Amino acid sequence: DTAVSQTPKYLVTQMGNDKSIKCEQNLGHDTMYWYKQDSKKFLKIMFSYNNKELIINETVPNRFSPKSPDKAHLNLHINSLELGDSAVYFCASSIAGVQADTQYFGPGTRLTVL
Amino acid sequence: DAKTTQPTSMDCAEGRAANLPCNHSTISGNEYVYWYRQIHSQGPQYIIHGLKNNETNEMASLIITEDRKSSTLILPHATLRDTAVYYCFLGGNTGKLIFGQGTTLQVKP
Repeated sequence: DTAVSQTPKYLVTQMGNDKSIKCEQNLGHDTMYWYKQDSKKFLKIMFSYNNKELIINETVPNRFSPKSPDKAHLNLHINSLELGDSAVYFCASSIAGVQADTQYFGPGTRLTVL
Repeated sequence: DAKTTQPTSMDCAEGRAANLPCNHSTISGNEYVYWYRQIHSQGPQYIIHGLKNNETNEMASLIITEDRKSSTLILPHATLRDTAVYYCFLGGNTGKLIFGQGTTLQVKP
């Protein structure tokens, strides 16, 4: 039973395209996150949602739009993809409040923009 | 804006204890010390966290100095599968994890 799952695992696309990455968690958590890990392996938070409400929004281009249809899902839509968007994107989830920093990560989606 | 410093890399012999240090001299009273690791090509994995008391779970032990300015993660019997990048950082229960460069631990046979 996968706790946090992401689809697809790999995504190869052309510059200028629009793509989505999906994330689902079956842990019953109410907070979900998106992180980006670039080629230098630095891992940075992008967004966080608590019960479908955006609570963390780092300095991310507005081409990136997270969407949370319910608290078990957090999808990431990226418009007009650029070469610099190539990275591994990780989804995570946690309980809110004092457990917020104990996060469970998905396996990642490796995005390659050509 | 990382508030912790860790050695860039460490080696450990398989079966021996791996002791990974972390300095956090500017830690504030309500900040927890968290440890995560990332095995190659996988998502980060939570290991352990603590406030001021030593903590132990099925994965590791966390020793925090009395002044809370440094800590050590101990993997009691390292295996090859423990080869990973280990991240130490301070958490204020905001959910905003700030990963630094971490320590690359290489467990050798």
